[in-house]
Amino acid sequence: AQKVTQAQTEISVVEKEDVTLDCVYETRDTTYYLFWYKQPPSGELVFLIRRNSFDEQNEISGRYSWNFQKSTSSFNFTITASQVVDSAVYFCALRGIFGKGTRLHILP
Amino acid sequence: TAGITQAPTSQILAAGRSMTLRCTQDMRHNAMYWYRQDLGLGLRLIHYSNTAGTTGKGEVPDGYSVSRANTDDFPLTLASAVPSQTSVYFCASSDSITGGQFFGPGTRLTVL
Repeated sequence: AQKVTQAQTEISVVEKEDVTLDCVYETRDTTYYLFWYKQPPSGELVFLIRRNSFDEQNEISGRYSWNFQKSTSSFNFTITASQVVDSAVYFCALRGIFGKGTRLHILP
Repeated sequence: TAGITQAPTSQILAAGRSMTLRCTQDMRHNAMYWYRQDLGLGLRLIHYSNTAGTTGKGEVPDGYSVSRANTDDFPLTLASAVPSQTSVYFCASSDSITGGQFFGPGTRLTVL
């Protein structure tokens, strides 16, 4: 069975601090895809990134970066120089299997 | 481009009644999904469809049915609603079974 665990239920940081959201997954598949989604207070769900299991290269997009480590079954998400607009619930997923999410508060 | 639309936006339903939540996408995506979101439980997959004409069960399919007669539409039916089906329902689509999912705005359903 597949499983995604986001151990951090809620995190608060002061604006401009860096923050890392953890994601650990379980799957027996040799080929799989991992995702991160953002749900801001307005409620919509926004796709952020997809990573396939063949590619362990880290990904950077502006202030966002993702660290995929197959050896530890982790796919962590770092926000550098956080901003208030980053406040949201962030979900890690294996296709249709979502973690319970991490609620991130960025304090001004 | 509308992306994905869901209707209704919200609904209050008496227990025992049936209801269909509508979902339409205009991106010509092959795969579509239905999730429910409950506080503390995250998003749970109800049913999915990898391509028109096929459907599959997700993590919590009981009490729900779906159909995928064409690429664009993926309705979710509650045959006889129960209070535990009170939730926010999200429809999503992806270009392929491995693609990132794009979500509709959600339907808030209350079953009394």
